[in-house]
Amino acid sequence: NAGVTQTPKFRVLKTGQSMTLLCAQDMNHEYMYWYRQDPGMGLRLIHYSVGEGTTAKGEVPDGYNVSRLKKQNFLLGLESAAPSQTSVYFCASSDPTGGVRYNEQFFGPGTRLTVL
Amino acid sequence: AQTVTQSQPEMSVQEAETVTLSCTYDTSENNYYLFWYKQPPSRQMILVIRQEAYKQQNATENRFSVNFQKAAKSFSLKISDSQLGDTAMYFCSSAGGTSYGKLTFGQGTILTVHP
Repeated sequence: NAGVTQTPKFRVLKTGQSMTLLCAQDMNHEYMYWYRQDPGMGLRLIHYSVGEGTTAKGEVPDGYNVSRLKKQNFLLGLESAAPSQTSVYFCASSDPTGGVRYNEQFFGPGTRLTVL
Repeated sequence: AQTVTQSQPEMSVQEAETVTLSCTYDTSENNYYLFWYKQPPSRQMILVIRQEAYKQQNATENRFSVNFQKAAKSFSLKISDSQLGDTAMYFCSSAGGTSYGKLTFGQGTILTVHP
């Protein structure tokens, strides 16, 4: 069981470039999330998905797009990167179906993105 | 909407001693969940402990326990017998019962355990 994996682990972009971050989970979780972590601000929710084919905006969605074509994958896209998007990005998943681990989020290892 | 506040940017403790990290929150939901996550230098987010708001009994996990004061909207984390491996950033977070598990995080507290 790999849990939640993220690709890539590090990336440097120039302003205006585009990229896609890939999140994959092998726990058959319905819910998936993308957060960004900035110094002094904790983690903030960018977008989330409550099932295959669904997406919704979180607290800081501007400049990002997401897609959930397959249940196990959740993609985060930056169409035109800006220096303000320099951050560490975390993907997470959770199982809403009940049980002991209900509502617990499992996090990936994070992606450090630098936009020059 | 939910807000979570951690007022201690940094804390330090001697090995084997006890330390308490503070957290206050606000929510409009009747049913919600509270969590403490640990983030060591490896950057991995690790769940330390969770508390369901409808449970009056404070949660405990080995050396970690919480003091959940629902009326005061306070949720502090106590670490007993601190170990060097406890050195990390600690995040308090909350999730509403009807919010699809979305987490709202506090700003974090950097805990350093000294030998």
